[in-house]
Amino acid sequence: GNSVTQMEGPVTLSEEAFLTINCTYTATGYPSLFWYVQYPGEGLQLLLKATKADDKGSNKGFEATYRKETTSFHLEKGSVQVSDSAVYFCALSDRSGGYNKLIFGAGTRLAVHP
Amino acid sequence: SAVISQKPSRDICQRGTSLTIQCQVDSQVTMMFWYRQQPGQSLTLIATANQGSEATYESGFVIDKFPISRPNLTFSTLTVSNMSPEDSSIYLCSATTSGASSYNEQFFGPGTRLTVL
Repeated sequence: GNSVTQMEGPVTLSEEAFLTINCTYTATGYPSLFWYVQYPGEGLQLLLKATKADDKGSNKGFEATYRKETTSFHLEKGSVQVSDSAVYFCALSDRSGGYNKLIFGAGTRLAVHP
Repeated sequence: SAVISQKPSRDICQRGTSLTIQCQVDSQVTMMFWYRQQPGQSLTLIATANQGSEATYESGFVIDKFPISRPNLTFSTLTVSNMSPEDSSIYLCSATTSGASSYNEQFFGPGTRLTVL
């Protein structure tokens, strides 16, 4: 079945450091890919998305490129801030069974220190 | 986009009791979902709430334990029945707005944090 694998956390960085959170997927067909973020005490928010190969999703300085050849959707940010501390979830859309649903990775906790 | 609210935001319950969680969306949506997020874990889909018909449950989840209603296009409830401490989790409602084409952009509620003693 379809699945998403994320790098294990926690990831601890100093402010202004470069961030990469790895995400790879297994899927039949051509799923859409997403990054969601969960700030402490809050629900999930969509951070960015990509719907086809070579698409680059971007938002709030974060970027991720849909790489079909490596089945990856790594999240990057050039300079993290303390306010980026959160849990990040990679997800794909699964259309098997005749309807859309999201398959989530395990989540990666990011802690940014001043 | 869609704004989703949930009630209650948190609750502490005794084992053996049941709790009903409400989910309200500010606009009509095509599909609504219920997820469970156990402590320190990722999200697991419990079921898809279908308007006017029985919910579609994922493997490992049954209607007797998690009855779901969806009387209209903007509202759904999830009941956690005969609770045990293992049911302590965050329960999240999500929805897809109509018009999503080749992907389903889901919007999430803030979650209901349930603790079972």
